Amino acid sequence: GDSVTQMEGPVTLSEEAFLTINCTYTATGYPSLFWYVQYPGEGLQLLLKATKADDKGSNKGFEATYRKETTSFHLEKGSVQVSDSAVYFCALRAGGGTSYGKLTFGQGTILTVHP
Amino acid sequence: DGGITQSPKYLFRKEGQNVTLSCEQNLNHDAMYWYRQDPGQGLRLIYYSQIVNDFQKGDIAEGYSVSREKKESFPLTVTSAQKNPTAFYLCASSIEFWGLTDTQYFGPGTRLTVL
Repeated sequence: GDSVTQMEGPVTLSEEAFLTINCTYTATGYPSLFWYVQYPGEGLQLLLKATKADDKGSNKGFEATYRKETTSFHLEKGSVQVSDSAVYFCALRAGGGTSYGKLTFGQGTILTVHP
Repeated sequence: DGGITQSPKYLFRKEGQNVTLSCEQNLNHDAMYWYRQDPGQGLRLIYYSQIVNDFQKGDIAEGYSVSREKKESFPLTVTSAQKNPTAFYLCASSIEFWGLTDTQYFGPGTRLTVL
């Protein structure tokens, strides 16, 4: 079945440091890939997405590129802020004509940014 | 403002009681979903519904029930048969078109604690 693996956390960085959170996936067909962010005590917010190979999703300084050859969708940001502290989830939605939008999530990566 | 509302934010239940979690959306989305989140884990799908009066089991449906009588509403009942119901419950919705679903948007969540 489909699966998503995220780098183990937690990740602790100083403000303005470079961020990478690794995400790899296993899926049949051509899945869509997502990064969601969850702030303490809240629901998930869509951060960015990519629907086909070589697409780059970007939002709020975060970027991720859909790499089919390495089955990866790593999240990057050049300069993190304290306000970026949250839990980040990588997810995939199966492609190939599936009739419902089931999302398969990674386990989440906790990011803490210190001033 | 369009969005997804969940109530209550916190819910306490005694063992043996059924409880119902509310989820309402005014986004005119066709599909709705319920997920369960446990500490340090990703989200797991409980139930989903693509259209009114129809719903399907997800990966962990045992001990839960749902209804979809209106497009805007998708309540989840946690029954006494659910052995470990303490968790954070998230509702989501998405547009459905041509048999495929678009990005899922999440509500703020309900934290259920069994006393």
